[in-house]
Amino acid sequence: QSVLTQPPSASGTPGQRVTISCSGSTSNIGSNTLNWYQQLPGAAPKLLIYSRNQRPSGVPDRFSGSKSGTSASLAISGLQSEDEADYYCATWDDSLKGWVFGGGTKLTVL
Amino acid sequence: QVQLQQSGPGLVKPSQTLSLTCGISGDSVSSDSAAWNWIRQSPSRGLEWLGRTYYRSKWYTDYAVSVKSRITINPDTSKNQFSLLLNSVTPGDTAVYYCARVGQIAVASYLYFGMDVWGQGTTVIVSS
Repeated sequence: QSVLTQPPSASGTPGQRVTISCSGSTSNIGSNTLNWYQQLPGAAPKLLIYSRNQRPSGVPDRFSGSKSGTSASLAISGLQSEDEADYYCATWDDSLKGWVFGGGTKLTVL
Repeated sequence: QVQLQQSGPGLVKPSQTLSLTCGISGDSVSSDSAAWNWIRQSPSRGLEWLGRTYYRSKWYTDYAVSVKSRITINPDTSKNQFSLLLNSVTPGDTAVYYCARVGQIAVASYLYFGMDVWGQGTTVIVSS
């Protein structure tokens, strides 16, 4: 089991807004910044969100993050077919003294 | 533009040592604002952080509890790269291995960290 909990799947139609949740504990999400990553088939994960709405250059503002206590979510607005991918949350865990990941959410664009 | 280039064998025999290298271009392994990580991914374990090395006036390494007794991550300043050694491998270590940089951005005097550069990945199969 992954330290961070995500739903295994999510779906939406083009143009829709979709959210993906990530749940953790006080030693990880509750204490540190939460990243979101996108992984396309056969590729390495790509950083989408540093924390909340801090995005690396080149990442569209359709992607946004939020956090409250020990939970976080990724929102994708104006869903596009190229958004179909696996999405992972990740953060540092102060108790484990290492990075921890969610199990991933497979997003399907219908 | 920072790039990471991985190298190493894709097949390792059980009980032997897995050895991978990550070459860095566009940054320095001795950077005082980055950390250099190894992560692996398999269907059974998902994404799993293995460890990191970083320089802050001296060298530091941290390892995941799950592999702590078997892993070594070394920086090589002469070649601007870092390496992963995982010994006594079993088929359970079969995975895609990635190196990644944890970089940082500063926004309103607050630092945000993330794995912002990744290597291309190396599929490692442990089999006789």
